[in-house]
Amino acid sequence: NAGVMQNPRHLVRRRGQEARLRCSPMKGHSHVYWYRQLPEEGLKFMVYLQKENIIDESGMPKERFSAEFPKEGPSILRIQQVVRGDSAAYFCASSSGTGGQDTQYFGPGTRLTVL
Amino acid sequence: AQTVTQSQPEMSVQEAETVTLSCTYDTSESDYYLFWYKQPPSRQMILVIRQEAYKQQNATENRFSVNFQKAAKSFSLKISDSQLGDAAMYFCAYRRYSGNTPLVFGKGTRLSVIA
Repeated sequence: NAGVMQNPRHLVRRRGQEARLRCSPMKGHSHVYWYRQLPEEGLKFMVYLQKENIIDESGMPKERFSAEFPKEGPSILRIQQVVRGDSAAYFCASSSGTGGQDTQYFGPGTRLTVL
Repeated sequence: AQTVTQSQPEMSVQEAETVTLSCTYDTSESDYYLFWYKQPPSRQMILVIRQEAYKQQNATENRFSVNFQKAAKSFSLKISDSQLGDAAMYFCAYRRYSGNTPLVFGKGTRLSVIA
């Protein structure tokens, strides 16, 4: 039973380019969370999605960032016109959505470097 | 808003000895979950231990145990018989009890294990 998959593991972009980060949840999980980890910091929540729905995007910057979790395929976190401050590790976590006792399982992260 | 504070940026322990990592949190809710996650150099987030606030008994997982003091809003992690593989960043995290909600992380404690 594969865990949470993220790709790419490392992504290098120049300022102004677009970054697309992918997350495939664990089998049977339909809830995905995206977190960002800046250097020497803890993880900060960005967005929570269920299949085809954004449930909570309170941690996501209002501009340039978007997320989706289509009916088929992985969840995508898109960053348009990247800037140096977007350099960070981006983690996704998935859960089964069974409520309060639900545990979030993390992927290995994508490290984004903006030149 | 809930906050999580880890006041020890770095800790070290001799192999086979015991170390305690501190965590305090702030919340107005009475039911919630608390977690300790380990992040080794691979950057993978690994769940170490979890505590339900409504349970008075402290959680234990092999060499890892917690001291949960609800009134003091304190949640420390004790690692017994420390091993070289325990060297990592350790993050304390909080999650609300109700529904599927995101984790709130502290800034982490970097643990070194000395042979």
